[in-house]
Amino acid sequence: EVQLLESGGGLVQPGGSLRLSCAVSGIPFSTYTMTWVRQVPGKGLECVSAITGSGDITYYADSVKGRFTISRDNSKNTLFLQMNSLRADDSALYYCSKAVRFSSSWFDYWGQGTLVTVSS
Amino acid sequence: EIVMTQSPAALSVSPGERVTLSCRASQDVTIDLAWYQQKPGQAPRLLIFGASTRATDIPTRFSGSGSGTDFTLTISSLQSEDLAVYYCLQYNNWPKTFGQGTKVEVK
Repeated sequence: EVQLLESGGGLVQPGGSLRLSCAVSGIPFSTYTMTWVRQVPGKGLECVSAITGSGDITYYADSVKGRFTISRDNSKNTLFLQMNSLRADDSALYYCSKAVRFSSSWFDYWGQGTLVTVSS
Repeated sequence: EIVMTQSPAALSVSPGERVTLSCRASQDVTIDLAWYQQKPGQAPRLLIFGASTRATDIPTRFSGSGSGTDFTLTISSLQSEDLAVYYCLQYNNWPKTFGQGTKVEVK
């Protein structure tokens, strides 16, 4: 069974930092592209970052470029999202999801999400 | 960026009725289109990829069609458990973009 379990969310002040983690099991982790998708509660979905299985190619949405860094530890089957210079509009539920490949691929498995709230 | 537009924004349907949801892309995405179901308090669940291929364990009442810029998700006979928001996703180009969703309510 494929499982994705996010952690690391919480309340942070504007300008602060958080590091999200996603522990993955049930798949050969290093084979697959992984992504972070966020959703403001009651609103739509936005893919904010992605990373290939080997970690050599990454993608960032313009809204987070220069502030967020995606990485992975294939020895620990874990995906990370380092979020710096957080803003109020970064407040959202952050989902970890698996893609079949980096390009031309849908997201087939999702975690349950971790909530990030940026507020003073 | 490819903009995905879904219609209608919401609809209320009686159990057993046929439901048709639409998704339009601002440019050609070939068949690089997926549909997701999101029930309240849950993560999105993959229903359809490649515009028309059902994902694992998805009931046959869900079907997808279309190519290019116009796509449709059909629920042939709505069940009460199909109450959810349905999203389309284009994955032809980065950034991969979602529609704003269609909320399906069961009468």
